[in-house]
Amino acid sequence: AQSVTQLGSHVSVSEGALVLLRCNYSSSVPPYLFWYVQYPNQGLQLLLKYTTGATLVKGINGFEAEFKKSETSFHLTKPSAHMSDAAEYFCAVTFSGGSNYKLTFGKGTLLTVNP
Amino acid sequence: DVKVTQSSRYLVKRTGEKVFLECVQDMDHENMFWYRQDPGLGLRLIYFSYDVKMKEKGDIPEGYSVSREKKERFSLILESASTNQTSMYLCATTRGGAYNQPQHFGDGTRLSIL
Repeated sequence: AQSVTQLGSHVSVSEGALVLLRCNYSSSVPPYLFWYVQYPNQGLQLLLKYTTGATLVKGINGFEAEFKKSETSFHLTKPSAHMSDAAEYFCAVTFSGGSNYKLTFGKGTLLTVNP
Repeated sequence: DVKVTQSSRYLVKRTGEKVFLECVQDMDHENMFWYRQDPGLGLRLIYFSYDVKMKEKGDIPEGYSVSREKKERFSLILESASTNQTSMYLCATTRGGAYNQPQHFGDGTRLSIL
């Protein structure tokens, strides 16, 4: 069965500092991986996805993530945090042939950006 | 852009009421999903539909049912609302036939059961 673990339910950084949000997955077959962002009182918005090909994936708002098969990880980074990045971030996994396109989500990481 | 519209942003109901949450999408997507979101638990799948009149149970279907009579509309029904169903409910859609397609979410319905 597939699963997702997000290390750290709350991450706090200063404006301009590196953002690193960790995601590890468990899947017995090649995964498809997603990062979503949720701003207060809104739904989830896709940041980026990894399906096949290049392991370094660039997304919106300056975020990127690297798929590392050997480490079963898909960590999200941004070189310089902005106040507008404050939100909750979710990592999710599915795989081809899985149960009807079901996404398995991590429990989320709340990012706080301090001025 | 895909637009997923949930009928209510905030809803307050009483214990024992039958509650309907509606979701409408405008992109002709085959797959539609209902999740509930609770602090510290992330998103949990309640039900999924891959076609009109077709449905599958997710991880936490107890106390819920769904209806999909038209492709663009997917309804979540709380048969007899209870206080432990107070939560944020999110609808999502995705195109069928490709696992690498992201899900598109509505803005959510924050439901309070008193």
